[in-house]
Amino acid sequence: SQTIHQWPATLVQPVGSPLSLECTVEGTSNPNLYWYRQAAGRGLQLLFYSVGIGQISSEVPQNLSASRPQDRQFILSSKKLLLSDSGFYLCAWRSGQGSSPLHFGNGTRLTVT
Amino acid sequence: DAKTTQPPSMDCAEGRAANLPCNHSTISGNEYVYWYRQIHSQGPQYIIHGLKNNETNEMASLIITEDRKSSTLILPHATLRDTAVYYCIVRVAFGIGNEKLTFGTGTRLTIIP
Repeated sequence: SQTIHQWPATLVQPVGSPLSLECTVEGTSNPNLYWYRQAAGRGLQLLFYSVGIGQISSEVPQNLSASRPQDRQFILSSKKLLLSDSGFYLCAWRSGQGSSPLHFGNGTRLTVT
Repeated sequence: DAKTTQPPSMDCAEGRAANLPCNHSTISGNEYVYWYRQIHSQGPQYIIHGLKNNETNEMASLIITEDRKSSTLILPHATLRDTAVYYCIVRVAFGIGNEKLTFGTGTRLTIIP
């Protein structure tokens, strides 16, 4: 079966510090990978998605970037965090076929102080 | 994506079937019904999805009316771990250029011991 791992679960970082969140998927090959940010409540904002190694699509230009160095690895980064980067970050994958659903990781709660 | 309407909250006795309704009267012919749930501070968990036929998996059953304007998610034997916010989402299949996902208000299901 497929599993998705996302870490760390929580992170407190000072303003201006760098960020690296990592996500890996097991049990599948060539998945579509996603980074979302969930605002307080329910709203999901799509940040980046990738359909293959080195292929990154950005939905919202902002202080973040993403990379996919390996087929099942997706990294969310920032060179200098802003207070507004605080939030709940979710990695997700799907098989890319038909109506296949998104499967989410357990998320990273980022607090920028 | 079609708008969905769900009751804000429901209670269900442990061991009984939990039936969660969702209205989606403006659904289009190519839109699927997806169900997710989210436990506080965790990532959303995919439950089930369908187009027009009833669906069943190890977690739940999805009953879609013949006119597709409403559906019901059934958790056959609710346990305390099923306490969560349940989201009904109606959208076309995910695909390149169509990767956004929006959660509505959902139904807060509380399982009563």
